[in-house]
Amino acid sequence: EIVLTQSPGTLSLSPGERATLSCRASQSVSGNYLAWYQQKPSQAPRLLIYRASNRATGIPDRFGGSGSGTDFTLTIIGLEPEDFAIYFCHQYGSSPLTFGGGTKVEIK
Amino acid sequence: QVQVEQSGAEVKKPGASVKVSCKASGYSFTTYGISWVRQAPGQGLEWMGWISAYNGNTNYVQKFQGRVTMTTDTSTGTAYMEVRSLRSDDTAVYYCARDHPTAPGNRALDYWGQGTLVTVSS
Repeated sequence: EIVLTQSPGTLSLSPGERATLSCRASQSVSGNYLAWYQQKPSQAPRLLIYRASNRATGIPDRFGGSGSGTDFTLTIIGLEPEDFAIYFCHQYGSSPLTFGGGTKVEIK
Repeated sequence: QVQVEQSGAEVKKPGASVKVSCKASGYSFTTYGISWVRQAPGQGLEWMGWISAYNGNTNYVQKFQGRVTMTTDTSTGTAYMEVRSLRSDDTAVYYCARDHPTAPGNRALDYWGQGTLVTVSS
């Protein structure tokens, strides 16, 4: 099973700032099948990025994904008020599918 | 547009069973699969398993094998997940999400249901 470790656990930033979230896998993610999701309280996760760097339909271009192998990054350039949420990475290249523990982006 | 609608909240006693439904619309149901993911209160996401709406094949996480059954009804475009022998630590929001048709993964989970809260309490 691939273990995904996200850091930091919490990121305290102000609107307009840049957020950099990390996701490290315990072994290489097949096909770079790594996704990022945003989750707000009492809502289902929302797909942001798939295959490490591809934005999902309707996702603003301030969200960007990068990385390969075992190290992946989600960058949010110019935080908007609606971006304060929890972000999860997810590998879907090998079974069992696994998720990281999440990074909370909170308002400073 | 693609929509995934889940059944409502449930309260169950320990040892009971629960069956959650997940109705998909806006796409061809049998050309995708469905994964089930749960989230305990204040916790992260846990993948439970997958079912193909194409051929009915399933893939369960080992810890749930024997206690979870996933099925589909292609005539109504609905997936179901039954969890038996419920325990207090099964209290969670259960989500279904659209997945690959022939194997779990290989595509990101792009459309999710709104979640179903299952509370297990005596």
